[in-house]
Amino acid sequence: GAGVSQTPSNKVTEKGKYVELRCDPISGHTALYWYRQSLGQGPEFLIYFQGTGAADDSGLPNDRFFAVRPEGSVSTLKIQRTERGDSAVYLCATKRGQGKSDTQYFGPGTRLTVL
Amino acid sequence: AQSVTQLDSHVSVSEGTPVLLRCNYSSSYSPSLFWYVQHPNKGLQLLLKYTSAATLVKGINGFEAEFKKSETSFHLTKPSAHMSDAAEYFCVVSEPAAGNKLTFGGGTRVLVKP
Repeated sequence: GAGVSQTPSNKVTEKGKYVELRCDPISGHTALYWYRQSLGQGPEFLIYFQGTGAADDSGLPNDRFFAVRPEGSVSTLKIQRTERGDSAVYLCATKRGQGKSDTQYFGPGTRLTVL
Repeated sequence: AQSVTQLDSHVSVSEGTPVLLRCNYSSSYSPSLFWYVQHPNKGLQLLLKYTSAATLVKGINGFEAEFKKSETSFHLTKPSAHMSDAAEYFCVVSEPAAGNKLTFGGGTRVLVKP
């Protein structure tokens, strides 16, 4: 079946602009995670949804970052007043349930470049 | 809090020779451990996972890893490297108490020489 999809694949924006990044999960996956991967580093956790609610947003770096999942499926990561330091690959991962053995499946990512 | 240390940022091997990627973890509870691979301009792919069953875990493409609780290690090995194994490898830990969010190591870049 279809995997996790993310759009756009690339986004170039100017400093101070607002951007939205979209994640479409695998059908039936209730858990959804956002990670950020800066150049030369491993991905870092941003936020986790179980269903519609954000169960853990401790990884969001500041209040310019916000994410929603209104119907428990598609999620949007929103970044206000973008800064050059926000440039990174933003990854979405989903898994079937809350079990520790469930695998997180990653999307291809959105490469964000802030000029 | 959970954390992961990958002891080598770069590993270079010759094709046909063994590969060893070292990983140590820190976790407050009984963790799950994973190895993911990332090929250039490709998404993260799961190689294998440990979730409290057998301590020797076999994954895809001939890779395996052994969970050693006493050493808090989860090293990844492959008996014979192939050119297609050139990629970045991430050791990852997760805990149910932390919502199963993944904590990644810094990555090990593998170069395979012909």
